[in-house]
Amino acid sequence: EADIYQTPRYLVIGTGKKITLECSQTMGHDKMYWYQQDPGMELHLIHYSYGVNSTEKGDLSSESTVSRIRTEHFPLTLESARPSHTSQYLCASSESGAGYGYTFGSGTRLTVV
Amino acid sequence: GENVEQHPSTLSVQEGDSAVIKCTYSDSASNYFPWYKQELGKGPQLIIDIRSNVGEKKDQRIAVTLNKTAKHFSLHITETQPEDSAVYFCAASKNSGYSTLTFGKGTMLLVSP
Repeated sequence: EADIYQTPRYLVIGTGKKITLECSQTMGHDKMYWYQQDPGMELHLIHYSYGVNSTEKGDLSSESTVSRIRTEHFPLTLESARPSHTSQYLCASSESGAGYGYTFGSGTRLTVV
Repeated sequence: GENVEQHPSTLSVQEGDSAVIKCTYSDSASNYFPWYKQELGKGPQLIIDIRSNVGEKKDQRIAVTLNKTAKHFSLHITETQPEDSAVYFCAASKNSGYSTLTFGKGTMLLVSP
């Protein structure tokens, strides 16, 4: 079944740890995105990719980094987690071209203590 | 860049009533307008979208209208049910393969039985 998967669903980690949030999709979509969702619901674009070896920074400045070595995989890494990184992280993908909706994963809820 | 304003931020209705959520956008070049529903603990899910060559689109109890001259679009939900309770996001993007969706800040809809 075509879908987009995020792991882990929940993560509690100590300050200073390095973490990688995984995102994989089976739809063959070229474009992928990472959003940070604050408690007030608003979605903030932090990274996106047009395809393999393409990564772009989004509207919200983030200390995280991303990579796109394979079409289906778009991991997000925090080198040194801080309490300010506590948030919900949502991954999404879409077809190439204009005017296509996004398919979102279920998200990773990260808590840094 | 594009700016999308969404109102209201919260909306409470009785079961069976209609609900209307309104969005305005700033970039006249935008021509794709999707709506997403986010249930608790899940990622946003595309529920309906409209393109600039269409003024209205319906899918069972939900409909979207677009006024390109005024640069606003609305989501209409008729005969609301408790399972319609969720956060709803509007979004807009331009007709370019390099554009990304700009989301509104979300509306929390509560349908009381």
